[in-house]
Amino acid sequence: GAGVSQTPSNKVTEKGKYVELRCDPISGHTALYWYRQSLGQGPEFLIYFQGTGAADDSGLPNDRFFAVRPEGSVSTLKIQRTERGDSAVYLCASSADKRYGYTFGSGTRLTVV
Amino acid sequence: GENVEQHPSTLSVQEGDSAVIKCTYSDSASNYFPWYKQELGKRPQLIIDIRSNVGEKKDQRIAVTLNKTAKHFSLHITETQPEDSAVYFCAASRGGSYIPTFGRGTSLIVHP
Repeated sequence: GAGVSQTPSNKVTEKGKYVELRCDPISGHTALYWYRQSLGQGPEFLIYFQGTGAADDSGLPNDRFFAVRPEGSVSTLKIQRTERGDSAVYLCASSADKRYGYTFGSGTRLTVV
Repeated sequence: GENVEQHPSTLSVQEGDSAVIKCTYSDSASNYFPWYKQELGKRPQLIIDIRSNVGEKKDQRIAVTLNKTAKHFSLHITETQPEDSAVYFCAASRGGSYIPTFGRGTSLIVHP
């Protein structure tokens, strides 16, 4: 596609539920990143994929968060037993070359009620 | 890990004035410094970046300077226009993973 696509754009879920957020990167981009952005804050790194493997998952806050990228393209961020503190905009970004700035998607606004 | 501080948090200028946003970083190994512009409700977009082997870079009305010794870098916008109003984020990353650490953002307001 022409840009990084994220679905859904908005997600409201009840506390304790499981959610999946999808990212479809720019075609051919091997590097894929997930960030979380809370209101009034800069993006906070969660996990980085190079191809199919998670090259760095040091930003995942706890074991309720998990992400996959099985075929080296689409990635899914999974959150178990959601908490109100998980409410934020989840941004995905991709890059053809990790040495350069990358393209962000429009994000998924997650609200846990 | 890397820590990026960004100032000011809010900057209000008149159209046509210049605007300067400053950032400091803590990791002397950081060597790539991108700047992103985020309009309300939209995605962050890369506007300019600089590498540690360069002291200054310009692109039309925007420029970025880097002082490696002091570990600070700045974004300069000249002849500001209302459409420059947005939140600007600085970031710093090091070789290897090149995962940027972002500042907290500066809300720039340009009054017509």
